[in-house]
Amino acid sequence: EAQVTQNPRYLITVTGKKLTVTCSQNMNHEYMSWYRQDPGLGLRQIYYSMNVEVTDKGDVPEGYKVSRKEKRNFPLILESPSPNQTSLYFCASSYREDGGYTFGSGTRLTVV
Amino acid sequence: GENVEQHPSTLSVQEGDSAVIKCTYSDSASNYFPWYKQELGKGPQLIIDIRSNVGEKKDQRIAVTLNKTAKHFSLHITETQPEDSAVYFCAASPSIGTDKLIFGTGTRLQVFP
Repeated sequence: EAQVTQNPRYLITVTGKKLTVTCSQNMNHEYMSWYRQDPGLGLRQIYYSMNVEVTDKGDVPEGYKVSRKEKRNFPLILESPSPNQTSLYFCASSYREDGGYTFGSGTRLTVV
Repeated sequence: GENVEQHPSTLSVQEGDSAVIKCTYSDSASNYFPWYKQELGKGPQLIIDIRSNVGEKKDQRIAVTLNKTAKHFSLHITETQPEDSAVYFCAASPSIGTDKLIFGTGTRLQVFP
């Protein structure tokens, strides 16, 4: 089944403790992207990648890192999480020529 | 940069009625406009999209219209059903060849039986 898989689905952590949210897609998509979703703000892009070893900042990149060493994986790294990073996170992927994203099921992160 | 505004934020309709959600965008270079449906506990799912060289696109009970001059586009759902209840997001992108997709803030649609 074609899908984007995120892990974990739920995560509660403490301020300053480094964490990684994994994302993997099995559709051989070039594009991958991370979004955060907050009430009243919709989906805001954190980082995106147009291919292996090619990443760029989205609209809200502060406090996040990403890497794209393989085409299928695009992990999101929070080196020192803070409470304002409490949010619902989505990974998404698409073909270059298609534009339509396939989203993962989301990761709900709480930083206390 | 691009800014997408979406209205209304909530919409309640009776089953069988039509629902319309409207979005405006600011960047005249945008030429790709998808719509996503998000059900509770799930990620957004693409339901329909339109390119700037097309004024209208229809897929069964769902249609999208685009007015490039006025920089607005709309989602129309006819004969609504309870399973249409969800949050709907519009988005705009300067081109399919970039990864820059800007989303609206969402519309919560409730369809009452």
